[in-house]
Amino acid sequence: EAGVAQSPRYKIIEKRQSVAFWCNPISGHATLYWYQQILGQGPKLLIQFQNNGVVDDSQLPKDRFSAERLKGVDSTLKIQPAKLEDSAVYLCASSQGGSSGVREQYFGPGTRLTVT
Amino acid sequence: AQSVTQPDIHITVSEGASLELRCNYSYGATPYLFWYVQSPGQGLQLLLKYFSGDTLVQGIKGFEAEFKRSQSSFNLRKPSVHWSDAAEYFCAVGLNNAGNMLTFGGGTRLMVKP
Repeated sequence: EAGVAQSPRYKIIEKRQSVAFWCNPISGHATLYWYQQILGQGPKLLIQFQNNGVVDDSQLPKDRFSAERLKGVDSTLKIQPAKLEDSAVYLCASSQGGSSGVREQYFGPGTRLTVT
Repeated sequence: AQSVTQPDIHITVSEGASLELRCNYSYGATPYLFWYVQSPGQGLQLLLKYFSGDTLVQGIKGFEAEFKRSQSSFNLRKPSVHWSDAAEYFCAVGLNNAGNMLTFGGGTRLMVKP
């Protein structure tokens, strides 16, 4: 079974530029998550999708971050314009859907973003 | 709001020695508990999870964890550490009524001395 795929693996941009990350979850997984992991910290959830609908985006800085999950499969996360404090690893995860319980999340390798 | 605390930022152990990584959570109900490991440049890999039942759970790579309700803890243990265990370890908490959201601790970086 293929795991969660993310691209690119690394990205360096200057502040005020825009950047986009792509994620393809495990086949059949209805739920997709984007996390931000700042160096030395644990991952922080940015947004959670159930199929193509948003479940939670309370910690997404909506003035500069946006995310979509077209057709309920792969997803893109965009930052525009980027700030220095956006330097982090952006992790995508997926899990099986369901209305109850807590399901195991499977993580991709992440995209390391450096904003200069 | 729930929180997860990993009191030890860095731990160094000798190869072959035993290991215990601490995790405490703050929440009124019994949460779902996870331990993940992250090697440099890699994503997170699930080591083990606790949902209910036996409070001592076995995971991959020889790891185990014990849920202690009275102490709000879920400590990770391994009887004999291998050099390949050097990595960062994250404890995470999920709540049944929170839509599968996970809250992660800050992580513990494990170094293994030869």
